[in-house]
Amino acid sequence: SAVISQKPSRDICQRGTSLTIQCQVDSQVTMMFWYRQQPGQSLTLIATANQGSEATYESGFVIDKFPISRPNLTFSTLTVSNMSPEDSSIYLCSVDTGRRYTEAFFGQGTRLTVV
Amino acid sequence: KQEVTQIPAALSVPEGENLVLNCSFTDSAIYNLQWFRQDPGKGLTSLLLIQSSQREQTSGRLNASLDKSSGRSTLYIAASQPGDSATYLCAMRGRIKAAGNKLTFGGGTRVLVKP
Repeated sequence: SAVISQKPSRDICQRGTSLTIQCQVDSQVTMMFWYRQQPGQSLTLIATANQGSEATYESGFVIDKFPISRPNLTFSTLTVSNMSPEDSSIYLCSVDTGRRYTEAFFGQGTRLTVV
Repeated sequence: KQEVTQIPAALSVPEGENLVLNCSFTDSAIYNLQWFRQDPGKGLTSLLLIQSSQREQTSGRLNASLDKSSGRSTLYIAASQPGDSATYLCAMRGRIKAAGNKLTFGGGTRVLVKP
């Protein structure tokens, strides 16, 4: 298994500002993922954070809005830029791990409210 | 495109009753399927992981089955307790390499266990 620490757990931000969310894993992992969960919805993958290269973004998400860093195999950050109320969501960090089978583990999420 | 559906979207049962949660997926080329629990405003906790070669997995009061031919997985929670109240999400990981073995989530079933 993997233990994932995500900071901050929640924040209320003014529109037009940016917030950086941190994700720390207790072991080295190859794959780290960032998801968004809008109110009352399921999870949508934003991007895959790759160590040593640029993140791979899903359709509908762009680097200018959601820049991602992955400086090493245990840490990643997601920035939500130029925020608007529509960005109010839970943002979740996830890793794939497991020696025999690929299993996903999640952080506790960051609950973002943009006012 | 892989689709994962969870019906019903919400479920309310009296304490002590068994819970049956359904998850269906459109593509039988499955690598594995995970069931998660999510408390309000929080991250996801992995409950059970079923590989494509397995038919069921058990952990305590939880039992998950997998039927690839019909594209269905069922999560059973025996003798439900108020503490089981949460949203339960299933997520399927496909075999197709081009998809990057990413997770596709269902919409979740919101469960309320009444004392």
